[in-house]
Amino acid sequence: QKEVEQNSGPLSVPEGAIASLNCTYSDRGSQSFFWYRQYSGKSPELIMFIYSNGDKEDGRFTAQLNKASQYVSLLIRDSQPSDSATYLCAVNTPSGGYQKVTFGTGTKLQVIP
Amino acid sequence: KAGVTQTPRYLIKTRGQQVTLSCSPISGHRSVSWYQQTPGQGLQFLFEYFSETQRNKGNFPGRFSGRQFSNSRSEMNVSTLELGDSALYLCASSLGDPVGNTIYFGEGSWLTVV
Repeated sequence: QKEVEQNSGPLSVPEGAIASLNCTYSDRGSQSFFWYRQYSGKSPELIMFIYSNGDKEDGRFTAQLNKASQYVSLLIRDSQPSDSATYLCAVNTPSGGYQKVTFGTGTKLQVIP
Repeated sequence: KAGVTQTPRYLIKTRGQQVTLSCSPISGHRSVSWYQQTPGQGLQFLFEYFSETQRNKGNFPGRFSGRQFSNSRSEMNVSTLELGDSALYLCASSLGDPVGNTIYFGEGSWLTVV
């Protein structure tokens, strides 16, 4: 079982719809969770992070965390063609006195105009 | 506040040569990690340095090495380059704290091996 799993996609949604990106992780000790967006040919950029169970909203983006189910998701409301990118989930897990970061392989999102 | 700076941005090398990539982290960040990303592939973790010490290493051959200096700047070196080493090499920095370890990426160094 991979430490952090994401569906590779592509996930296609029409413009204006809600895009839902999912990520599961294997280590119950994981403490913090991050979503990055990576445009083709560019480096990943941080969208948002979440530490506590529940929802965290930032503009059109909402991160959802359920530690009991070991599940974190990213919702993008009113999806725009400019949101078309690969979304990477990252998980921080305590390891030997520091935080070890593990990335998923990413989900490719296509927003259709 | 300046972001993570990587140099060079683009380079072309010949098989068998070696290459050194440089990374300057965000001011105050003591942890620097390196990743390799090939077309269509996810991020492959190379290694992480914190306060000049390598504290985590991925599954790459010994041709890949790195170091960190006292000012937290880091370099990675790839010796005896192979065609398969062509990739985007990303450097990421963070505070390296036990909690809230948010990492930020540089723009990357594109390496082409011919």
